[in-house]
Amino acid sequence: DGGITQSPKYLFRKEGQNVTLSCEQNLNHDAMYWYRQDPGQGLRLIYYSQIVNDFQKGDIAEGYSVSREKKESFPLTVTSAQKNPTAFYLCASKPGSDTQYFGPGTRLTVL
Amino acid sequence: AQSVTQPDIHITVSEGASLELRCNYSYGATPYLFWYVQSPGQGLQLLLKYFSGDTLVQGIKGFEAEFKRSQSSFNLRKPSVHWSDAAEYFCAVGNTGGFKTIFGAGTRLFVKA
Repeated sequence: DGGITQSPKYLFRKEGQNVTLSCEQNLNHDAMYWYRQDPGQGLRLIYYSQIVNDFQKGDIAEGYSVSREKKESFPLTVTSAQKNPTAFYLCASKPGSDTQYFGPGTRLTVL
Repeated sequence: AQSVTQPDIHITVSEGASLELRCNYSYGATPYLFWYVQSPGQGLQLLLKYFSGDTLVQGIKGFEAEFKRSQSSFNLRKPSVHWSDAAEYFCAVGNTGGFKTIFGAGTRLFVKA
């Protein structure tokens, strides 16, 4: 059954800690994306990757880092440099210029 | 600058009534247009998309949207709303060969009995 999985669904972090959000897809899509969603602000692009071992900053990349060592995987690390990390994080993938497919999301809360 | 505007932050309609959600875009190239729906705490699901051809596109769950180039609009419609349609709706725009998609801020739909 093809799709995008994100784990965990809920994540809690203490201030000053780094945390990594997982995103895996078995759709054989080249491009993958990370978005942050806050109430009333829609989706804001953090990072995206068009191919393995390559990625670009989005609109709000500060305080985040990514890697793309495998086509199927695009993990996002929220570092301690991110001043307001509490949000809902969405991963997506896309085949070429077609539609983006979204994972179920991870809600990160900083305690 | 490329942008997507959804003028209505939230809309309330009665069950069985018709629905229209507005979307306006600003995009230099020929746009690809999308409508997504999101239930609380979930990811986004594609309702419909417009790439070319017939400007009236049909989607899932009884939704349709009409692309009007002269008005830079891509409004979403449904003739009769069901309580299960209560969710947040996002309009988005991309382009041929492009890897980035721009999303509107969303419109939250409330359905009253």
